[in-house]
Amino acid sequence: DIQMTQSPSTLSASVGDSVTITCRASQSVSVWLAWYQQRPGKAPQLLIQKASSLESGVPSRFSGSGSGTDFTLTISSLQPEDSATYYCQHYNSFSCGFGQGTKVEIK
Amino acid sequence: QVQLVQSGAEVKKPGASVKVSCMTSGYTFTGYYMHWVRQAPGQGLEWMGRINPNSGDTHSAQKFQGRVTFTRDTSINTAYMELSSLRFEDTAVYYCARGYGSWYYLEHWGQGTLVTVSS
Repeated sequence: DIQMTQSPSTLSASVGDSVTITCRASQSVSVWLAWYQQRPGKAPQLLIQKASSLESGVPSRFSGSGSGTDFTLTISSLQPEDSATYYCQHYNSFSCGFGQGTKVEIK
Repeated sequence: QVQLVQSGAEVKKPGASVKVSCMTSGYTFTGYYMHWVRQAPGQGLEWMGRINPNSGDTHSAQKFQGRVTFTRDTSINTAYMELSSLRFEDTAVYYCARGYGSWYYLEHWGQGTLVTVSS
């Protein structure tokens, strides 16, 4: 099984800051990586798929990059509503797996 | 718009089974895989498996094989997940989530169903 490792586990930043979350796969997943946002008490929401393709309706301050084993999710100007836990997920047409999550807190 | 509406919270005893439903609307039910993901309290997301609503073909994570059953009723556009031989550690929120075609990324999610296993 492919293992997904996110870092950091928690980060705290101020409104307007740029923040970056890293996701590393134990073997290459090409560009087959998605990012989700989960606010407290809510279901996850898909932000990005295929490493960098932003889903419709997702604010443009979110961006994804990477390929192979190393990926990043960047929030360019942190907003209060971005306080949430973020998960990466590798996927293809026969399997998937999630990272352990990164909690983003607003100072 | 795409909607996935799940059944309500359940409390079960160890050893029992639970069946969670996921009623869909706003898209062609048979055109997209339906996945099931669970989240234990304070923990991360865990993929359990999926069903192809068109064929009924299923695929479950190895951890749940033999204990989980995915079914669907195409006449009412509803998917089901049944977990048997419940243990305390099965206490979690269970989500249904629609994939993108046959890809295993999850575009739309249900609201979640809390299953509590308690004696």
